[in-house]
Amino acid sequence: LAKTTQPISMDSYEGQEVNITCSHNNIATNDYITWYQQFPSQGPRFIIQGYKTKVTNEVASLFIPADRKSSTLSLPRVSLSDTAVYYCLVGARYSSASKIIFGSGTRLSIRP
Amino acid sequence: DTGVSQDPRHKITKRGQNVTFRCDPISEHNRLYWYRQTLGQGPEFLTYFQNEAQLEKSRLLSDRFSAERPKGSFSTLEIQRTEQGDSAMYLCASSLISGGPNNEQFFGPGTRLTVL
Repeated sequence: LAKTTQPISMDSYEGQEVNITCSHNNIATNDYITWYQQFPSQGPRFIIQGYKTKVTNEVASLFIPADRKSSTLSLPRVSLSDTAVYYCLVGARYSSASKIIFGSGTRLSIRP
Repeated sequence: DTGVSQDPRHKITKRGQNVTFRCDPISEHNRLYWYRQTLGQGPEFLTYFQNEAQLEKSRLLSDRFSAERPKGSFSTLEIQRTEQGDSAMYLCASSLISGGPNNEQFFGPGTRLTVL
C-alpha cells in the first residue's frame, strides 16, 4: 500500500504559480497518482490523474519524474478561490476501494 | 454541483439515537462510496457498492453502521445508537464502473452529523 507524504500547509499570493509535491516512495508499477481539491463544507473534487511524465488539463498540470517516487501538482496563476485542501492519492485503477487513502492533504492559502 | 446529492445536509442528534442519511448518485454511475471525514483529516473510506451489491466494508466500520443500495440507485447509511465519536461529515461519492475504484469519483456535499 503506497503511502503518500505532502506538506501540511502552503501559502502563496494571487497570480503566482503554486507547486505542491507529494512523495510516494513505494509506489507500485500499477499505481496511478490522483489529486483532489476540497473547499470547506464541500466534498472533494477530482483535479487530475496521471501515471508518468506530464499530464495537463484546464485546471492543473501533474509532473511525474521517471522514478515515479514523487509527483508535483502545478496550479498556474492562482487566485483566492484556489484556497483549499489538496489531496494526493496513489493506487491502482482496479485496486480495492478501501486502499484509496486520502491522508491529511495540503492546506493551500492564497493571499491577495 | 457535481450531481450527487445528500440529505440531510446537517443532522443534530442525541447520543443513543439512530440516524439515517441518504445519497442520490449521478444516475448513470454504478459505483457508490461512503466516507467519513473529521476535522483536519481527509475522507476515510467506509463502504462501497457496485450497483446494489455491497462489495467492500472498512474493517473500522462498527456493526452499528449499515448501508444499503436496494435498487442500485440511491443509498442509505444508518448509524444505530449514535455515540459522540460518530460526529463527523459523512460523504457520498459515485463513479462510473469503468476504470475501477480509483477512477474519478464525484462527491456530494456531505451530511454533517453532530451527536450531543
